[in-house]
Amino acid sequence: DAGVIQSPRHEVTEMGQEVTLRCKLISGHNSLFWYRQTMMRGLELLIYFNNNVPIDDSGMPEDRFSAKMPNASFSTLKIQPSEPRDSAVYFCASSLLQGAAFFGQGTRLTVV
Amino acid sequence: AQKVTQAQTEISVVEKEDVTLDCVYETRDTTYYLFWYKQPPSGELVFLIRRNSFDEQNEISGRYSWNFQKSTSSFNFTITASQVVDSAVYFCALSEARRIQGAQKLVFGQGTRLTINP
Repeated sequence: DAGVIQSPRHEVTEMGQEVTLRCKLISGHNSLFWYRQTMMRGLELLIYFNNNVPIDDSGMPEDRFSAKMPNASFSTLKIQPSEPRDSAVYFCASSLLQGAAFFGQGTRLTVV
Repeated sequence: AQKVTQAQTEISVVEKEDVTLDCVYETRDTTYYLFWYKQPPSGELVFLIRRNSFDEQNEISGRYSWNFQKSTSSFNFTITASQVVDSAVYFCALSEARRIQGAQKLVFGQGTRLTINP
């Protein structure tokens, strides 16, 4: 079975540009998490969804960040406008009910 | 509030040595889950184990073993006869377990960077 699929794997963009990260959940999973990893702050939860409904978005840094689940198997994380401090590795993970969360390969974002 | 502490930032051992990674957690919940994840140099996060707070039995999987002690709020991870391929950052994590269906967020520790030298 395919795991969590994230795209792109790497993204380099200029400050001020819009960035969209994409995530495909494992088939049958109903919970979706977006995490950000930096050296300074480690792994931080940005937002998570259960059954397409956002449950906790308290980790979203500010209004520049938004996440959606247009359907049960797909999610996007958008940053508009992007800033250099957004540079990080962004992980998406999915799980079934309260089972283990399985992570994608991550998207390394660099904002210059 | 939930918190996970991995006091060991970095550990370096020689191949074939045993090594234990410490994890201490804080939670006010009586029911929760504990996890360990591995992040090799390639960067992905690999799930290793999930343990329910009601199950205090130790677990062994090959060279890996986990010691869960509720009395000390610890969930330590031991690698026996370490190998170079075990070199990675290891994360301990905690989530609440609710009666309401659906996942709860994972709170991660800061990770322990383990280096196994040949």
